[in-house]
Amino acid sequence: QVQLVESGGGLVKPGGSLRLSCAASGFTFSDYYMSWIRQAPGKGLEWVSYIGPSGTTIFYADSVKGRFTISRDNAKNSLYLQMNSLRVEDTAVYYCARDGGSYSPLDHWGLGTLLTVSS
Amino acid sequence: EIVMTQSPATLSVSPGERATLSCRASESVSNNLAWYQQKPGQAPRLLISGASSRATGIPARFSGSGSGTEFTLTISSLQSEDFAVYYCQQYNYWPPLTFGGGTKVEIK
Repeated sequence: QVQLVESGGGLVKPGGSLRLSCAASGFTFSDYYMSWIRQAPGKGLEWVSYIGPSGTTIFYADSVKGRFTISRDNAKNSLYLQMNSLRVEDTAVYYCARDGGSYSPLDHWGLGTLLTVSS
Repeated sequence: EIVMTQSPATLSVSPGERATLSCRASESVSNNLAWYQQKPGQAPRLLISGASSRATGIPARFSGSGSGTEFTLTISSLQSEDFAVYYCQQYNYWPPLTFGGGTKVEIK
C-alpha cells in the first residue's frame, strides 16, 4: 500500500536551515506529482510547495518563495524540502502528500514531521 | 487566490445524528473540491474528491454535494470515530492550492 514517511524535523534557530525528506513506497513514485503541506500548532492546513513527476514543474506558496526549495530523487523514491532563512512562523508539522496532478486531490498523506523554529 | 470559507467552525452533534458541513469558494471551482478528515495527532485523510466521489474505503454515510461555489459534506449518522476536524480544499485554480479553515465536529 501507499506509504509516505517524513523525516528531518527538529528545533532550529531563526535564520537557520533544515532539510526535510519524504520516503515513498507502494506506488510508482516517478509517475506522481508531490506536495508539501504544513500545519502550525492548533491551526489549519497550508499548502507549501508542489513538484511535478520529472521535477521540472515547481510551485511555491508566497510565504516560502525564495527561502524553500523542493526537489525529488526518483531513483531513491524520495521528496525533499530544503528550508533556509527559517522564521518563527515556519513552525509547523510538515506533511508530504501524493498529488494526482491537474484537477486531482491529495490522495495520500504522510504522518508528518515537526519543525520548531525558536531561539 | 481562491479563498475557501467553512461553516460552522464547530458543530456539536450527538452520536447517530446527521451532520451537515458547509464550504464556500470565493469564485467558482467547478467540482474540483475535496474533503479531508483529520483526527488529533493524525494526518488528514481524503474522504471526498470531485465534490461528491467517495475515496476508497470511505463509508457510505459520508456524502458530498455541490458545485461552483457552494459545497456540503453530510455525515448521515455520526459514529464515534467520526468526531474530528474536516477540511475542504479546492484544486481548480492553483497555485496555490487552498484549504478552508476547518469544521470541528464534536460530541454534543
